[in-house]
Amino acid sequence: SQQGEEDPQALSIQEGENATMNCSYKTSINNLQWYRQNSGRGLVHLILIRSNEREKHSGRLRVTLDTSKKSSSLLITASRAADTASYFCATDGKGRRALTFGSGTRLQVQP
Amino acid sequence: DADVTQTPRNRITKTGKRIMLECSQTKGHDRMYWYRQDPGLGLRLIYYSFDVKDINKGEISDGYSVSRQAQAKFSLSLESAIPNQTALYFCATSDGLAGPANEQFFGPGTRLTVL
Repeated sequence: SQQGEEDPQALSIQEGENATMNCSYKTSINNLQWYRQNSGRGLVHLILIRSNEREKHSGRLRVTLDTSKKSSSLLITASRAADTASYFCATDGKGRRALTFGSGTRLQVQP
Repeated sequence: DADVTQTPRNRITKTGKRIMLECSQTKGHDRMYWYRQDPGLGLRLIYYSFDVKDINKGEISDGYSVSRQAQAKFSLSLESAIPNQTALYFCATSDGLAGPANEQFFGPGTRLTVL
């Protein structure tokens, strides 16, 4: 089963609004990453947050991590039509040698 | 030129055929991965390799095999393709400096259809 589960599965917003996506995971992690996938294309790394970090920023992206709740959120501020894509969290768990990806959130930003 | 390339990009084949998907990278990374993506299920790990002599099964290795011919090349084979192997297949790479936490770099994907 997937280690990470994103919600919502799909999100539609207007340009300029903020988009928030959540990721929950089941076992302890060392790090959590977020990736973006444009339709049918390969994933692109957005940001990594370590288990001892609570918040991280990169441009219009803000990621939070709550290890007590085993959850993370990705906030995209002032969204643009070009942000339309699927977003995946991926976890690196203790004892695991590879990342485990969640099922993704499909974001649609209406111009 | 792309750092991670996959060939072919699209393939239609018939049940029972042997298929090989190839991945090459110019990033100099030691670690390479094969994933499949089905609608609504995200990415699932098929096999991964941390160097030429270190190959490991992932979450869904049954029906697949791999070959790491060189640091830069990692091939995925379907010995006898079946329709439920119809999916989008991705190769990815990462360096080995910080364990699995390293950023992965993905190829453009191969869309495989098994009739």
